[in-house]
Amino acid sequence: QTVVTQEPSLTVSPGGTVTLTCASSTGAVTSGYYPNWFQQKPGQAPRALIYSTSNKHSWTPARFSGSLFGGKAALTLSSVQPEDEAEYYCLLYYGDGVVFGGGTKLTVL
Amino acid sequence: EVQLVESGGGLVKPGGSLRLSCAASGFTFSNAWMNWVRQAPGKGLEWVGRIKTKTDGATTDYAAPVKGRFTISRDDSKNTLYLQMNSLKTEDTAVYYCTSQYFDYWGQGTLVAVSS
Repeated sequence: QTVVTQEPSLTVSPGGTVTLTCASSTGAVTSGYYPNWFQQKPGQAPRALIYSTSNKHSWTPARFSGSLFGGKAALTLSSVQPEDEAEYYCLLYYGDGVVFGGGTKLTVL
Repeated sequence: EVQLVESGGGLVKPGGSLRLSCAASGFTFSNAWMNWVRQAPGKGLEWVGRIKTKTDGATTDYAAPVKGRFTISRDDSKNTLYLQMNSLKTEDTAVYYCTSQYFDYWGQGTLVAVSS
């Protein structure tokens, strides 16, 4: 069974920069896995942020960016705002479906 | 404006069945693959399965935990997606979301609780 791994939790100061990563148990993550990133706040449905590694939706704030780094997918938040405190999930595409990562709880402190 | 509205959740006993619906609007539903994703209380997101368009054969794919028990279907004339859940287990307790083909749009979710 394929497992997608994210950092369980990260803390960042307001105005700082933080990078979340997403690894696959099958090996290096490439653009062919079409990495997606989602933000979820308590009591809300997830909101899509990034698709196909680095593409932003029309509603995605400019401070969010996606990339590949060191064999993983990465989500970087720059100039972090208090409202960025949330759970972040990545998603990877495999041949017969998709798998979500376990999520990263981002604390802005 | 794209809208996805789930319904049909509730309390069901282990071994029971339930059918969820997802009413779609604001896009050409018949041209879109659709997904179901669930989230157990306090846990992460889990992909349940998807259905392709009729053009692509309306074939379905499922995650291992639900394969053989859950069935996804669609009625393009009603712009509605369905999730038939049979042989429900306590571990199926979750909020169930329907999502668009590329996971860019999500419904508000409907809660399914499996308990005796």
